Amino acid sequence: LAKTTQPISMDSYEGQEVNITCSHNNIATNDYITWYQQFPSQGPRFIIQGYKTKVTNEVASLFIPADRKSSTLSLPRVSLSDTAVYYCLVGERSKNFNKFYFGSGTKLNVKP
Amino acid sequence: ETGVTQTPRHLVMGMTNKKSLKCEQHLGHNAMYWYKQSAKKPLELMFVYNFKEQTENNSVPSRFSPECPNSSHLFLHLHTLQPEDSALYLCASSQESRVSTNEKLFFGSGTQLSVL
Repeated sequence: LAKTTQPISMDSYEGQEVNITCSHNNIATNDYITWYQQFPSQGPRFIIQGYKTKVTNEVASLFIPADRKSSTLSLPRVSLSDTAVYYCLVGERSKNFNKFYFGSGTKLNVKP
Repeated sequence: ETGVTQTPRHLVMGMTNKKSLKCEQHLGHNAMYWYKQSAKKPLELMFVYNFKEQTENNSVPSRFSPECPNSSHLFLHLHTLQPEDSALYLCASSQESRVSTNEKLFFGSGTQLSVL
């Protein structure tokens, strides 16, 4: 039921920039794109959200092209503590309420 | 601290037991969710409540019974569970958006359930 597709896993090294791309070909006009981070045995944590172009906050940037069929989460200078699963979500609206289905996510492994 | 509190943190129960999971949010949100996450699997949406009304039941077996007495509290009542129901159960809340999907989910730490 998830409306997104992401790579299953990625490896990186400390200090590198990491870009994780998510595909959402059937995104609707009112849909926002939201990214979450999850550590083992914890609930996911909101990272960043956007609708179009570029959004930046203190932890990440989100790039969304004009057609909005994909998005890229950019993590600058990752550290070991960024090892986690990253989920891209596009909500689904039904009967005037939103539902949020998680896909498989991308497991990021940061190496020293 | 996310503003969403789940208790208990861990639960071990037999297949004939009845137990309840509790979730409380202190964020003033009007939507609450139950998700299930089995080992090394994605989160599965189970139930959604908007303004205390159940708006989604994602084909969840009747041995899971949700209850939402008010916008701040959500329960998941468990009875006659199976070993395959062992998982991390996560509660989340959000501020319902009337026009778009720009809601942000705030999750609790979850209840790690083991069914013996």
